[in-house]
Amino acid sequence: DSGVTQTPKHLITATGQRVTLRCSPRSGDLSVYWYQQSLDQGLQFLIQYYNGEERAKGNILERFSAQQFPDLHSELNLSSLELGDSALYFCASSVRQMNTGELFFGEGSRLTVL
Amino acid sequence: QQPVQSPQAVILREGEDAVINCSSSKALYSVHWYRQKHGEAPVFLMILLKGGEQMRHEKISASFNEKKQQSSLYLTASQLSYSGTYFCGTEFGGAQKLVFGQGTRLTINP
Repeated sequence: DSGVTQTPKHLITATGQRVTLRCSPRSGDLSVYWYQQSLDQGLQFLIQYYNGEERAKGNILERFSAQQFPDLHSELNLSSLELGDSALYFCASSVRQMNTGELFFGEGSRLTVL
Repeated sequence: QQPVQSPQAVILREGEDAVINCSSSKALYSVHWYRQKHGEAPVFLMILLKGGEQMRHEKISASFNEKKQQSSLYLTASQLSYSGTYFCGTEFGGAQKLVFGQGTRLTINP
């Protein structure tokens, strides 16, 4: 158990819909990272937050947005869903601010878009 | 910006050795290695910093060649538990994001 909690574990929805994935980082970790992993694919970096502020952005689609709240949990919002958005979405946390230290990954949220 | 890993897949017999390479076209600040077993989350193995020493995790070690912007992961006397997909992640100074390669799938047979 990494200490990072992601909900929901599984989500099935239809094209055009909107979903929210939630992540609670390890106690004491201020950085949250979001990654997308499609079937048999690598880990695509989406976005990183530190203590409520966006710190780095990857190839995140405009239909996707995220935020980190004062209690440090983070949410990833995916809208106007397409079939290609089906993937495993991982959240990871780290205690570091500058230069990524060890990342602790949650178990992921598996999104299926039909 | 995504690092390139090679090979894409390796099949070994238990006890054999393997090397996984990770290359970048940009100057690196650090290289991170993670292992992901099927159906599970990635798990941290080690970080190699620019100018740092070679690192070890059990019988797995790694090196970082700053001149070549390349890291290599060495798996010695492989065990069945080493099976999984290995990802290298690269970081550029101040970028604060860890970008992973496509992964190397390692299969260890008895």
